[in-house]
Amino acid sequence: AQRVTQPEKLLSVFKGAPVELKCNYSYSGSPELFWYVQYSRQRLQLLLRHISRESIKGFTADLNKGETSFHLKKPFAQEEDSAMYYCALSDLNDYKLSFGAGTTVTVRA
Amino acid sequence: EAEVAQSPRYKITEKSQAVAFWCDPISGHATLYWYRQILGQGPELLVQFQDESVVDDSQLPKDRFSAERLKGVDSTLKIQPAELGDSAMYLCASSNPGTSGYNEQFFGPGTRLTVL
Repeated sequence: AQRVTQPEKLLSVFKGAPVELKCNYSYSGSPELFWYVQYSRQRLQLLLRHISRESIKGFTADLNKGETSFHLKKPFAQEEDSAMYYCALSDLNDYKLSFGAGTTVTVRA
Repeated sequence: EAEVAQSPRYKITEKSQAVAFWCDPISGHATLYWYRQILGQGPELLVQFQDESVVDDSQLPKDRFSAERLKGVDSTLKIQPAELGDSAMYLCASSNPGTSGYNEQFFGPGTRLTVL
């Protein structure tokens, strides 16, 4: 069974400070990892995926298979980064997504 | 820009009543998903369709929940009878991994169900 754990329910940082959201997973095969984000009064949307290895809105995430982690990082948080962030895992065969419980990020001025 | 549509946005019902939710995926998306999101938790997959066929409904409480996608386009999720524990956000998503090569799911705004 696949499982995604986000240990932090709430994360509060000051504008300009670094932010890191933790995500750990358990899965027996080769998963694909994602970060989804939900801004206030908006839909859940894809932020980034590990395969693309892109930086989106200043965020990066590296898949560490040894530690089974996929932490999301941004060196300088902005107020517009305040949102709910979900880590998700997909089986490459059936595309099903398993989500973590989410982390609410608040960036204070 | 094409979006997933859901209706109604909010539904209040009494326990033992029947409720139905509707979802219209992005045009051309073959895969459709229904999720349930309980407050404080992440979305949990209830059912996955590939065109009109159910691919996975292992987490769907089949004694009271049913889902259909008759023409392989829009979909309906029904609960009969509703129970207090069904109060949650019901999300619909669609994707077309065969085209993109990966599973970016596009979500609708959700239906907030409250069972009294």
